[in-house]
Amino acid sequence: KAGVTQTPRYLIKTRGQQVTLSCSPISGHRSVSWYQQTPGQGLQFLFEYFSETQRNKGNFPGRFSGRQFSNSRSEMNVSTLELGDSALYLCASSLTSPSHNEQFFGPGTRLTVL
Amino acid sequence: DQQVKQNSPSLSVQEGRISILNCDYTNSMFDYFLWYKKYPAEGPTFLISISSIKDKNEDGRFTVFLNKSAKHLSLHIVPSQPGDSAVYFCAATYNQGGKLIFGQGTELSVKP
Repeated sequence: KAGVTQTPRYLIKTRGQQVTLSCSPISGHRSVSWYQQTPGQGLQFLFEYFSETQRNKGNFPGRFSGRQFSNSRSEMNVSTLELGDSALYLCASSLTSPSHNEQFFGPGTRLTVL
Repeated sequence: DQQVKQNSPSLSVQEGRISILNCDYTNSMFDYFLWYKKYPAEGPTFLISISSIKDKNEDGRFTVFLNKSAKHLSLHIVPSQPGDSAVYFCAATYNQGGKLIFGQGTELSVKP
């Protein structure tokens, strides 16, 4: 069974630009969560989608948004990029809920903002 | 507001010895705790979990202990192996929510 895939793996953008990251969950998984990993901050929860609806949201500004499609694939978008947005963005999928089913992570997208 | 804290950014142990990774939390509503392991250039992988109704859970070389009164959990790895060298994250959740709160991670180095 294929794992969680994320594209692209690496991305370089400049301040003020916007970016879209993509995540394909494991087949059959309906919950997709997004996390931001920065040194010293660990993994910070961005949002979780289930059946095309945002079910949970972390404490990030409105520049961070996401969506989920009917096939459970998810995208996250960051607008008006700032230097501090440089991070590893991880996507994770689970059957129904990351708190009750094992959550499987993708390899992440490394975003660098110059 | 860091609800889950791993105060040791790094830990170094000898192969064959015990590794103890610690995690503290502040939210008494948390009812489920998990440990994840992360190698460089890979996403985290689930290691072991514990419900708040238990105080210990074992899986092979890995044991997680939960002390609810102290709001503290620990992961014991016995015996430690060089392949255990990775970053370990603890995470917590509550109220059957879909949100996991992660700590900052502890980098474990197991030396041969």
